Amino acid sequence: KAGVTQTPRYLIKTRGQQVTLSCSPISGHRSVSWYQQTPGQGLQFLFEYFSETQRNKGNFPGRFSGRQFSNSRSEMNVSTLELGDSALYLCASTSGIQNTEAFFGQGTRLTVV
Amino acid sequence: GENVEQHPSTLSVQEGDSAVIKCTYSDSASNYFPWYKQELGKRPQLIIDIRSNVGEKKDQRIAVTLNKTAKHFSLHITETQPEDSAVYFCAASMNSGGSNYKLTFGKGTLLTVNP
Repeated sequence: KAGVTQTPRYLIKTRGQQVTLSCSPISGHRSVSWYQQTPGQGLQFLFEYFSETQRNKGNFPGRFSGRQFSNSRSEMNVSTLELGDSALYLCASTSGIQNTEAFFGQGTRLTVV
Repeated sequence: GENVEQHPSTLSVQEGDSAVIKCTYSDSASNYFPWYKQELGKRPQLIIDIRSNVGEKKDQRIAVTLNKTAKHFSLHITETQPEDSAVYFCAASMNSGGSNYKLTFGKGTLLTVNP
């Protein structure tokens, strides 16, 4: 079956702009989580959506937001971009059943200049 | 919230040797502990996981042990091969019947296997 698909793969944005990233989970998976990966901080949890509802949120400012659609596809938005937002943004898809594997997408590499 | 510490940050071994990576977690309610391997430029991929009702799990050359009392878990790779070279992440999660899914990751270990 098809894996987790993230678009776009690469983005270059200017400080102050906003950006929207997209994640299509594995067919049948209802949970989508987002993570920020940087060399200094590693993988940090942003938020998780299940059946269009945000169930949990990490310690990121309100500039980071997301949503999930009825087909389980999810989008993540970052407003008023800062240089420190440059990172690899990964989404992970799970079936929603507890303690099961999270499948990661290839990520979106965001560079803020 | 949960905090996961991972050691060492870098590990270099000779081909055929064993490699051990250790992690500790802070939340005693955590009940799921996956390990991910991330090769350069690629996505993290699950290599093994363990649940809190199990003390040890093995899959060919890879094994994971869990000590709930001490709140630590370890990854063991035997007979290492150059293709094992990658960054390895441990993670901890507390999931209970349909509740939220959140992985807290360690900072990663860069494993280099020298031929």
